[in-house]
Amino acid sequence: KQEVTQIPAALSVPEGENLVLNCSFTDSAIYNLQWFRQDPGKGLTSLLLIQSSQREQTSGRLNASLDKSSGRSTLYIAASQPGDSATYLCAVREGYQLIWGAGTKLIIKP
Amino acid sequence: DGGITQSPKYLFRKEGQNVTLSCEQNLNHDAMYWYRQDPGQGLRLIYYSQIVNDFQKGDIAEGYSVSREKKESFPLTVTSAQKNPTAFYLCASSIVDEASNQPQHFGDGTRLSIL
Repeated sequence: KQEVTQIPAALSVPEGENLVLNCSFTDSAIYNLQWFRQDPGKGLTSLLLIQSSQREQTSGRLNASLDKSSGRSTLYIAASQPGDSATYLCAVREGYQLIWGAGTKLIIKP
Repeated sequence: DGGITQSPKYLFRKEGQNVTLSCEQNLNHDAMYWYRQDPGQGLRLIYYSQIVNDFQKGDIAEGYSVSREKKESFPLTVTSAQKNPTAFYLCASSIVDEASNQPQHFGDGTRLSIL
């Protein structure tokens, strides 16, 4: 059964730093991997989607990579800002289902 | 603007009571989903529907029911059989896409608590 893990559960860094969030999964037979952002008490916003045949996707200051063979994805955030503070979740797609990690709560200190 | 509307934002349930959470979308998406989110855990799928008048159980369907009478609407009923309903409930929709390159879009959620 597919399991998705995000470590660490929480991360606090000073403004301006570059940082990496990690996501690992146990079964490499995925259609895609997605990164989402969730603000407190809110729904989820899709950030990046990487197809299983792709290695990375970029959007602005965000870059997501995918290594299926090792069951890993990273989300790189460049030049972090206080507005980046949120919980970041990754999910892998199997068929029509998404299997979710528990998220990393990110705090950017001004 | 196109999007997903969930209501109410907060909901309280008494013992033995059924409650219904509303989810409406104007994105013209065929697929809709209900997830439950508990602290420290990933989202878990309750039910999903890919077409009107058809829906499938997810991983934690016990104690919940849904209907899909209209493309735009996918209400979730939390029945009295669900003994631990306190959670944050999220509704999502997406294009039915066998190529698997379409993200799911989410509403702002309903927080359900027991009185």
